[in-house]
Amino acid sequence: GESVGLHLPTLSVQEGDNSIINCAYSNSASDYFIWYKQESGKGPQFIIDIRSNMDKRQGQRVTVLLNKTVKHLSLQIAATQPGDSAVYFCAENQGAQKLVFGQGTRLTINP
Amino acid sequence: KAGVTQTPRYLIKTRGQQVTLSCSPISGHRSVSWYQQTPGQGLQFLFEYFSETQRNKGNFPGRFSGRQFSNSRSEMNVSTLELGDSALYLCASSLPPLANTGELFFGEGSRLTVL
Repeated sequence: GESVGLHLPTLSVQEGDNSIINCAYSNSASDYFIWYKQESGKGPQFIIDIRSNMDKRQGQRVTVLLNKTVKHLSLQIAATQPGDSAVYFCAENQGAQKLVFGQGTRLTINP
Repeated sequence: KAGVTQTPRYLIKTRGQQVTLSCSPISGHRSVSWYQQTPGQGLQFLFEYFSETQRNKGNFPGRFSGRQFSNSRSEMNVSTLELGDSALYLCASSLPPLANTGELFFGEGSRLTVL
């Protein structure tokens, strides 16, 4: 079946620290994952994606790591800023624009 | 470039009524998909349209339906509303399917409350 899950519903970090948000998936055949950020009152916003032929992908202040052995991916945010406060979702692209989302992790930044 | 526009932003209905939600995709985007977001179930895929054809459908009852027009605008309809249909309904558009990326561009949603 389809299943993408996040490890923690909430995460609190100090401003300037690095944040790591984790996600697990169950389907070994899954080959495309995406991270979205949802701020209060807004729709989800694409952050970064990764395909199964990669282990790591970097963007601006963000890095996604994919461990296919344990079916785990993580989103790392460097030097977390107040504007990073949001709910973060991992999602699996199952084709024809169908995404299966995890439950989300709410990231709170402490000053 | 204008983003995805959804109307109405907020609406209140009573059980048994029906509702129609509208979505205008980003110019040039031909794929439109719909998602339901609730605190309990999270973000769940409803359906996706491309060139006026439904290509994919999630696990929702037949009371949930949609369509896409020739200008790529889309509507979704929920008939015989139930309390559990209260949710944020999100529309997302994307580039043609050949791009096949996970980069969906979401609107701000239509928040439906069923009383």
